[in-house]
Amino acid sequence: EAGVAQSPRYKIIEKRQSVAFWCNPISGHATLYWYQQILGQGPKLLIQFQNNGVVDDSQLPKDRFSAERLKGVDSTLKIQPAKLEDSAVYLCASSLVAANYGYTFGSGTRLTVV
Amino acid sequence: TQLLEQSPQFLSIQEGENLTVYCNSSSVFSSLQWYRQEPGEGPVLLVTVVTGGEVKKLKRLTFQFGDARKDSSLHITAAQPGDTGLYLCAGIEWGNMLTFGGGTRLMVKP
Repeated sequence: EAGVAQSPRYKIIEKRQSVAFWCNPISGHATLYWYQQILGQGPKLLIQFQNNGVVDDSQLPKDRFSAERLKGVDSTLKIQPAKLEDSAVYLCASSLVAANYGYTFGSGTRLTVV
Repeated sequence: TQLLEQSPQFLSIQEGENLTVYCNSSSVFSSLQWYRQEPGEGPVLLVTVVTGGEVKKLKRLTFQFGDARKDSSLHITAAQPGDTGLYLCAGIEWGNMLTFGGGTRLMVKP
């Protein structure tokens, strides 16, 4: 089966600019997650979707980050305006309903804010 | 957010040596997963442990879930350069949300 697709792979922007990331999960996976992974650290959950509804966005900095999952398939994560500390890899993952089956991660988007 | 601490943070060993990585928490998890991540890629699931005291083996890798389901360990026997990577533990407390530890970066030198 095809994996989780993410684009772009790399993005360099100046602070205060806007950026958007796209994710296409594995077909049939109802749950989609966005994680932020700062260099040298483990991934931190930003938002979890179940179909097209938000399950948990408690760690999403809502003053600058937004995410949507229209039609319960693809998802976009946006940052506006970006700050230097947003430099990180943004990982998208999907899973079947039960997380015990494990998440499948995409390769991520490496964002550098200068 | 429940905290998962991994130790050591960094480990550099010679090919053929054995090693153990630890994952500890003050919280009880319904299950715990181990992932391996290579540079430029997303984490890849290695194993899920569910039952307290459970031991699972994957070739040269042995995973153990603590009796109280608060901690776990990963033991690698006769490490090879191909084992190099970032090893992440992740706990599932409730729902479908994974909480990751900070990771252990392993380098195996030939």
